[in-house]
Amino acid sequence: QVQLLQSGAEVKKPGASVKVSCKASGYTFTSFAIHWVRQAPGQGLEWMGWINTFNVNRKYSQKFQGRVTITRDTSATTVYMELNRLRYEDTAVYYCARQVEPGWFDPWGQGTLVTVSS
Amino acid sequence: QSVLTQPPSTSGTPGQRVTISCSGSTSNIGRYTVSWYQQLPGTAPKLLIYSNNQRPSGVPDRMSGSRSGTSASLAISGLRSDDEADYYCATWDDTLNGPVFGGGTKVTVL
Repeated sequence: QVQLLQSGAEVKKPGASVKVSCKASGYTFTSFAIHWVRQAPGQGLEWMGWINTFNVNRKYSQKFQGRVTITRDTSATTVYMELNRLRYEDTAVYYCARQVEPGWFDPWGQGTLVTVSS
Repeated sequence: QSVLTQPPSTSGTPGQRVTISCSGSTSNIGRYTVSWYQQLPGTAPKLLIYSNNQRPSGVPDRMSGSRSGTSASLAISGLRSDDEADYYCATWDDTLNGPVFGGGTKVTVL
């Protein structure tokens, strides 16, 4: 079945970087874009950016531009999201999601909790 | 502040019908189809409705969606206790050239 499996929880200090992985299985990896969405504690969903897994074109939300990098490894069918210069307010669950059509995502990864704490 | 506007909460008793609205603009809902997601506590969002009113296999027909102009809505009929969750609408936005989400609506079953 189609599945996205994310890496485990991380605890980072302010100013550090974090890299979260999202391994895809059950479908042709390069046929669907992957998006990253985060959810701060008790808050809603916030889009961060996406990558076209076929041609590596990327688009980032203006809010994260300059701090986020999304990459992919076709041989490993894995997408990575790296967030730099972490701040306390970056504490959140980070999700990857497969885009079926623009604005329509299925499935989602299980989520990765990133905690920024000194 | 989310681009798409949803009520923060709604509630109903078992068996009742509740609806959740999602308001957008001509650059998003007015141009693209809407999807809905159910997020149970402590879990990832799950696709509930796509292309405004289509249900993935496994989603009961108690869940229905519609779109008109720059607004969309999700209806849950025959409300059950396991429908207690947060519900989010989403679509694409031409101005942002990316997806946009509603702020989420918490459904409580009384």
